[in-house]
Amino acid sequence: SQTIHQWPATLVQPVGSPLSLECTVEGTSNPNLYWYRQAAGRGLQLLFYSVGIGQISSEVPQNLSASRPQDRQFILSSKKLLLSDSGFYLCAWSVYQGGISPLHFGNGTRLTVT
Amino acid sequence: DQQVKQNSPSLSVQEGRISILNCDYTNSMFDYFLWYKKYPAEGPTFLISISSIKDKNEDGRFTVFLNKSAKHLSLHIVPSQPGDSAVYFCAASGGYGGSQGNLIFGKGTKLSVKP
Repeated sequence: SQTIHQWPATLVQPVGSPLSLECTVEGTSNPNLYWYRQAAGRGLQLLFYSVGIGQISSEVPQNLSASRPQDRQFILSSKKLLLSDSGFYLCAWSVYQGGISPLHFGNGTRLTVT
Repeated sequence: DQQVKQNSPSLSVQEGRISILNCDYTNSMFDYFLWYKKYPAEGPTFLISISSIKDKNEDGRFTVFLNKSAKHLSLHIVPSQPGDSAVYFCAASGGYGGSQGNLIFGKGTKLSVKP
């Protein structure tokens, strides 16, 4: 069965510090990978998605970047965090086989920028 | 402007009764709709989905109804159980392939099922 691992679960970082969140998927090949964020009082918002190694689509211009160095690895980064980067970050995967292909989420990282 | 709206932030239901969670959308180009359930400190879990060509999809205790003319969908949980207490998100998609994962989420409805 497929599993998704996301770490760390919680993170407190000062403004201006770098960020690296990692996500890996097991049990499937060539998944579509996604980074979502839920800011306080808001719904989930797609940040980046990737349909293959090295292929990144950005949905929202911001202070963050994403990379996919391996088929089942997705990394979210920032060179300098802002206060507004605080939120709940979720990695997700799907495999498109026609029809509805639901996203399967990891347990998320709670990021607090101080 | 919110394309997917869940106007009730919370709902309280007695165990054994029906829970009805509502969702409205504005974009008639959405092809798929999904419901997710989320417990605290966990990621959302996929519950049930429906294609825009259907008006009903049922899976066990969960049924989703879609009214395209009203741009409205609802999730029915019958019978409700205390373990159903969670935040429920409605989501919509209009893309294909990788972009199908570009889900537009509502802000969620917190369901509390009381024993």
